Amino acid sequence: QVHLVESGGGVVQPGRSLRLSCAASGFKFTTYAMKWVRQAPGKGLQWVALMSNDGRNIYYADSVKGRFTISRDNSKNTLFLQMNSLRVEDTAVYYCARVSEMATINDYWGQGMLVTVS
Amino acid sequence: EIVMTQSPATLSVSPGERATLSCRASQSVSSDLAWYQQKPGQPPRLLIYGASTRATGVPARFSGSGSGTEFTLTISSLQSEDFAVYYCQQYNNWPPWTFGQGTKVEIK
Repeated sequence: QVHLVESGGGVVQPGRSLRLSCAASGFKFTTYAMKWVRQAPGKGLQWVALMSNDGRNIYYADSVKGRFTISRDNSKNTLFLQMNSLRVEDTAVYYCARVSEMATINDYWGQGMLVTVS
Repeated sequence: EIVMTQSPATLSVSPGERATLSCRASQSVSSDLAWYQQKPGQPPRLLIYGASTRATGVPARFSGSGSGTEFTLTISSLQSEDFAVYYCQQYNNWPPWTFGQGTKVEIK
């Protein structure tokens, strides 16, 4: 059974940093690309970043490029999102999501982690 | 960037009735269109991909159709557990992977 569990969220002041982690289990982590997707309070979904299974291919939304860094430790089945220079508008629930083998869609999601920049 | 537009923003439907949700892309995405369901306090759940293929475990009352720029999600007979927000997402032209703003299906 696929499980994705985010951690590391909380309240942080503008300009500060935060690192999210996503622990994966129940599937072969090294086979799958992973994404971070966020949702501001009461708003819709916004893709943040994607990393391929081997870490070679990385993509970022323009709104976070240069500030956020996605990474993974395949030996520990863990995905990370390092968030620097945080802004009030980065306040959101951050989800890690597995990218399907069939296409670049998200077939499994974590429960999400709230990041509040205030 | 491909902009996804969903309509209506809110759909009021009685249990047992049919619900039809629309999603329009600003340019063709072929059949690279997914639908997700999100209930309050929960993460999104994949319902449909390839515009019309149900994901594992999704009931047959959910169906998707369309290609190019116009897509539809139909729930044939709404059950109580179907009241939620539904998002479409294109994965044809990326990055970015873009979502619609969502349609809330509420009890009439």
